[in-house]
Amino acid sequence: GQQVMQIPQYQHVQEGEDFTTYCNSSTTLSNIQWYKQRPGGHPVFLIQLVKSGEVKKQKRLTFQFGEAKKNSSLHITATQTTDVGTYFCDDAGGTSYGKLTFGQGTILTVHP
Amino acid sequence: DAGITQSPRHKVTETGTPVTLRCHQTENHRYMYWYRQDPGHGLRLIHYSYGVKDTDKGEVSDGYSVSRSKTEDFLLTLESATSSQTSVYFCAISTSPNYEQYFGPGTRLTVT
Repeated sequence: GQQVMQIPQYQHVQEGEDFTTYCNSSTTLSNIQWYKQRPGGHPVFLIQLVKSGEVKKQKRLTFQFGEAKKNSSLHITATQTTDVGTYFCDDAGGTSYGKLTFGQGTILTVHP
Repeated sequence: DAGITQSPRHKVTETGTPVTLRCHQTENHRYMYWYRQDPGHGLRLIHYSYGVKDTDKGEVSDGYSVSRSKTEDFLLTLESATSSQTSVYFCAISTSPNYEQYFGPGTRLTVT
């Protein structure tokens, strides 16, 4: 795997506002995995994107993989306080033995 | 959550002492990983294993060693703990490097 850059590092929103975090790579990604970590918790797998241009939805969450497979985004519609946490992306492919390296993550704070 | 436990969950130790952290899984997954998480650095891979007695280094392996004598157990040893190794340590498992990882609850280690 290779490290991807995540932006922004921090995001504060009011409850009900939308939120987007981006993962960018200078090289083509094999596939992208997204994880969420609640404060004080452990990372939890959300979704994996494999195909160029792929879009997947989970309720208010929309995940997208760029056409060139060099970037990905996670969009949350109408944030809720339960969305608080850190969102990580990672390029899960690339080597036979999975030398997985996560990005720094985006820390989301939702103000009620 | 997948059957992953980590022990101990919290530990305070003194500089220069050896420390061993244990990760135990009941899922029979082939791949196991040790990460450390520090503010501003996200998750960084320390070592990983792709089978019994098969291990390899991650990006921050200096000062750490690992062993895997059984499928279910992956041990992380700090040979001589230093204050820079104060961190939260997560174990993770997966069936394949291209598939999702399941994380344990973490171990908070403080080196004084």
